[in-house]
Parts: sequence; C-alpha cells; structure tokens
Amino acid sequence: NAGVMQNPRHLVRRRGQEARLRCSPMKGHSHVYWYRQLPEEGLKFMVYLQKENIIDESGMPKERFSAEFPKEGPSILRIQQVVRGDSAAYFCASSPSQGRPNQPQHFGDGTRLSIL
Amino acid sequence: AQSVTQLDSHVSVSEGTPVLLRCNYSSSYSPSLFWYVQHPNKGLQLLLKYTSAATLVKGINGFEAEFKKSETSFHLTKPSAHMSDAAEYFCVVSDTNQGGKLIFGQGTELSVKP
Repeated sequence: NAGVMQNPRHLVRRRGQEARLRCSPMKGHSHVYWYRQLPEEGLKFMVYLQKENIIDESGMPKERFSAEFPKEGPSILRIQQVVRGDSAAYFCASSPSQGRPNQPQHFGDGTRLSIL
Repeated sequence: AQSVTQLDSHVSVSEGTPVLLRCNYSSSYSPSLFWYVQHPNKGLQLLLKYTSAATLVKGINGFEAEFKKSETSFHLTKPSAHMSDAAEYFCVVSDTNQGGKLIFGQGTELSVKP
C-alpha cells in the first residue's frame, strides 16, 4: 500500500517564479491537509481539502498561495511569484475521514522548497 | 482554542537510559492527541495516538504515553533509548471541531549518546 506521495522532493526556484507542489494521498483517503515547516517556527497548518472542495484555508497566506484537489489527480499547492521567505518544507497529509482520532493523518516525506 | 506546549526544546540521554519528552495540552473539550517523530529530511511518522479508550497508550518502537487529564499532560516515554531514536518529536492535538487540522507543539529534539 503506497503511502502519501509528494513530488518533487526538492524544488529550487528563483524569486518571482512559480512553484507547484504535488501530493497524492494514500489509496482510499479523500481528505488532504497541507502544512508548512519554516525554520525556527515549527509546523503550521495551511489548508484542508476534500475532492473538488476547499474546506478550511485559514492557514493560507492571503496572497500568492492557492491549493486544489481535483476530482482526478493529485492535490496541488501553488505559490506564485515566490519570495525568499517561502523557503520551507511543505508537507502533505491524508486521512480517510475528517478528524477522527482512530484514523490519524499520514504524512508524505515533504517538498523542500528553496528560493534563490 | 486548542494548543500544545512541549516543555523541552532539546533532550539528551545516553543509550540504554529512559526517555521522557514532556507535553502539556490546552483544550476546551476532550482532545485527540498524537505523538509524531521526524527523522532528518523525512516526513512525520505516527508514534501513537490517544483515542480515549485507555489513558496509557502504547506506540511503535517501544514508546508509550500517558494521558493525565488532571495535569493536562501527555508525556512520551521509553524505558531504554536506542541510537536510532535520535530525531525530532512532536506532540500534536487535532482540532476535531474544525476539520481535524493538526496543531503542533514546537518540537523536542532528542539526542542519544553512545
């Protein structure tokens, strides 16, 4: 059973470019969460999606960041016009249902984004 | 609002000695609590979860945690540390009233000396 798959593992972008991070949830999981790990700041929730729906985007920066989880294909976290402060590790997690303690979230290995 | 506080940013133990990583939580209702471990340049792996069925929770790799409501604590322990336990450990609460998003503590880095 494949786990949560994230790609690319490492992504380098120059300031002003766009970054696209992809996440394929575990088989049978329809809930996807994105988290960001900034140096010295720990892990913070960004957005929660189900297929074709954004459920909670309270942790997303107001500008330049967007996320989607289409009916077919992986979830995408998109960062437009990247800046140095976007350098971080971005983690995707999936679960089969919403917030049940006996069905915890499973994490991918993350995408390390570096902005030159 | 729910939150977790990890009381130590760094813990160092010798191989074969006990491990104690401390966590306190704040929640207005019965919390869903987890411990995750992160090895360098890897994702997060679930160690154990509190599901309210039992206050002493056993996890993988010999770790366990005890939920103490009176102390609002969920400390992680292991009787005997192994070199491979060196990693970052996160105490986490799930915000079940808001879609289940996870709220992380600041993390505790565990070092294991030979």
